[in-house]
Amino acid sequence: AQTVTQSQPEMSVQEAETVTLSCTYDTSENNYYLFWYKQPPSRQMILVIRQEAYKQQNATENRFSVNFQKAAKSFSLKISDSQLGDTAMYFCAFTPQGGSEKLVFGKGTKLTVNP
Amino acid sequence: SQTIHQWPATLVQPVGSPLSLECTVEGTSNPNLYWYRQAAGRGLQLLFYSVGIGQISSEVPQNLSASRPQDRQFILSSKKLLLSDSGFYLCAWSLGSGRNQPQHFGDGTRLSIL
Repeated sequence: AQTVTQSQPEMSVQEAETVTLSCTYDTSENNYYLFWYKQPPSRQMILVIRQEAYKQQNATENRFSVNFQKAAKSFSLKISDSQLGDTAMYFCAFTPQGGSEKLVFGKGTKLTVNP
Repeated sequence: SQTIHQWPATLVQPVGSPLSLECTVEGTSNPNLYWYRQAAGRGLQLLFYSVGIGQISSEVPQNLSASRPQDRQFILSSKKLLLSDSGFYLCAWSLGSGRNQPQHFGDGTRLSIL
């Protein structure tokens, strides 16, 4: 079965500091795509960053970066210089290459940025 | 640019009543369309997806159904709602080609069953 595990239900960080959210996944596929989505209190799901499994270079998007460890099936999200607007639920997800373009989501990590 | 519209934003329905949630996408053709449900404190569960008009795949057996009468319209329905149907429903779209294409979500519908 293809699953995504986010082991941290809740985390908090002080404004301007760095925080890392963990994500592990289980798949027998060799190529797939990984995503982090953010869901603020407004409930809209917003794409934060994505990574293609065949690329060794970690994706970066402004203050957001990932640490992709394919052998360990780990895909953590690092948020640098945390801002109050980063307060949200963060979901890790992946879509395998085979089959349809379905996303498999983790249960999420609730991140609170404190002033 | 592409946009996705989902309505209503909130809905309160009695048990046993019918349901119709609508989702439309603008600015693209032949998108993949998805319906998700998010229960309180949980992640997203894929309910249905569609790769074209009239093509619906169901992920979990349930009380709900989906239809795609037009290329950019996706409807989630039920003939008789159950208490367990309460939750937050999200519609999403992605480009039809390439599995690296991210999904883009609507603002969601909060459904409460009384």
